[in-house]
Amino acid sequence: GENVEQHPSTLSVQEGDSAVIKCTYSDSASNYFPWYKQELGKGPQLIIDIRSNVGEKKDQRIAVTLNKTAKHFSLHITETQPEDSAVYFCAAPLAAGNKLTFGGGTRVLVKP
Amino acid sequence: EPEVTQTPSHQVTQMGQEVILRCVPISNHLYFYWYRQILGQKVEFLVSFYNNEISEKSEIFDDQFSVERPDGSNFTLKIRSTKLEDSAMYFCASSSDWSSYNEQFFGPGTRLTVL
Repeated sequence: GENVEQHPSTLSVQEGDSAVIKCTYSDSASNYFPWYKQELGKGPQLIIDIRSNVGEKKDQRIAVTLNKTAKHFSLHITETQPEDSAVYFCAAPLAAGNKLTFGGGTRVLVKP
Repeated sequence: EPEVTQTPSHQVTQMGQEVILRCVPISNHLYFYWYRQILGQKVEFLVSFYNNEISEKSEIFDDQFSVERPDGSNFTLKIRSTKLEDSAMYFCASSSDWSSYNEQFFGPGTRLTVL
């Protein structure tokens, strides 16, 4: 069935290092790929997204890359800070419609 | 900055009871969604709603679930007869456009605990 796979499930990095999270998706027609950050007890917050007509997008310390041929996209966080510690979810609209299918989440821990 | 709000933040109910979860989407948005997240698991789509009717629903959204926009601002999810496995965080989301390019903004969630 239609699916979004996300890896790794947990990621521990030293403050200042980079973090990379990868997702693959199954529906080649998907054309929008958001990343959400979820802090404890809160709802998912959109942090960056990418449309299928570009390969990379950057916003300060966060970047997302998209490889449509391989059907995967990645989140890159550079110069990580303790406040980056959270669960990050990738998502994509699979099949018809725009309901989002989420990846399994990555718990990121930035150690000071 | 406009945001999606949800009430209550936490709802505890007995199995078999009805619950209504409330959401106020962003005011100029026209498309509304409910998602749920069982503890420690991924966020799952339940239903989308536009123009006073359901646009899409998942297999989770069975006859025990219903949605309504009772007035110009609220969007509700009703669970008719709660089961233990309905315990989860329920998130409301809204977007301004149906396009699959469109951002969905999520509320803070309602934690539903069914005893």
